[in-house]
Amino acid sequence: DSGVTQTPKHLITATGQRVTLRCSPRSGDLSVYWYQQSLDQGLQFLIQYYNGEERAKGNILERFSAQQFPDLHSELNLSSLELGDSALYFCASKTGVTGELFFGEGSRLTVL
Amino acid sequence: AQKVTQAQTEISVVEKEDVTLDCVYETRDTTYYLFWYKQPPSGELVFLIRRNSFDEQNEISGRYSWNFQKSTSSFNFTITASQVVDSAVYFCALSEASPPDYKLSFGAGTTVTVRA
Repeated sequence: DSGVTQTPKHLITATGQRVTLRCSPRSGDLSVYWYQQSLDQGLQFLIQYYNGEERAKGNILERFSAQQFPDLHSELNLSSLELGDSALYFCASKTGVTGELFFGEGSRLTVL
Repeated sequence: AQKVTQAQTEISVVEKEDVTLDCVYETRDTTYYLFWYKQPPSGELVFLIRRNSFDEQNEISGRYSWNFQKSTSSFNFTITASQVVDSAVYFCALSEASPPDYKLSFGAGTTVTVRA
């Protein structure tokens, strides 16, 4: 158990819909990262937050957004969903500045 | 830009054989961090090891060992006497020490299948 909690574990929805993925980082971790894992793109960095502020952006689509709340949990919002958004979405948190990332179990999104 | 290459897509071995996974990286930074993660069939990503660029000492942990060679930009991983439970996808990752993000860039992964 990494200590990072993600909900829901599985989600099935239709094209055009909007979903929200939730992440609670490990106790004491201020940094939250979101990654997308798809068969064709591999593990892609989406976005990072540190103590409520956005720190870095990767290959995140404009239809996607995220935020980190004062209690440090984070949400990833995916809207106008397309078939290609079907993937495993990971949240990770990190202790300190240069520590390793600890990943949650992921949220598997299926868009039909 | 940082880049991680895992040239081996799949490796299949019989139990008790040794398995070595290759990882080659590119970075312009002089300080960086290398990682190996394991993703078993259940899907979670499990942290295995982290290495700093200024520490080339190789490490052995049980049946796992790592060979970091800065001169060839390689960070290889060996499983000795493999077991069926080692079947997983293994990812090599790199993080440059450039603020503000320290994000990890992952290789494409190597799928290891250990047959009984």
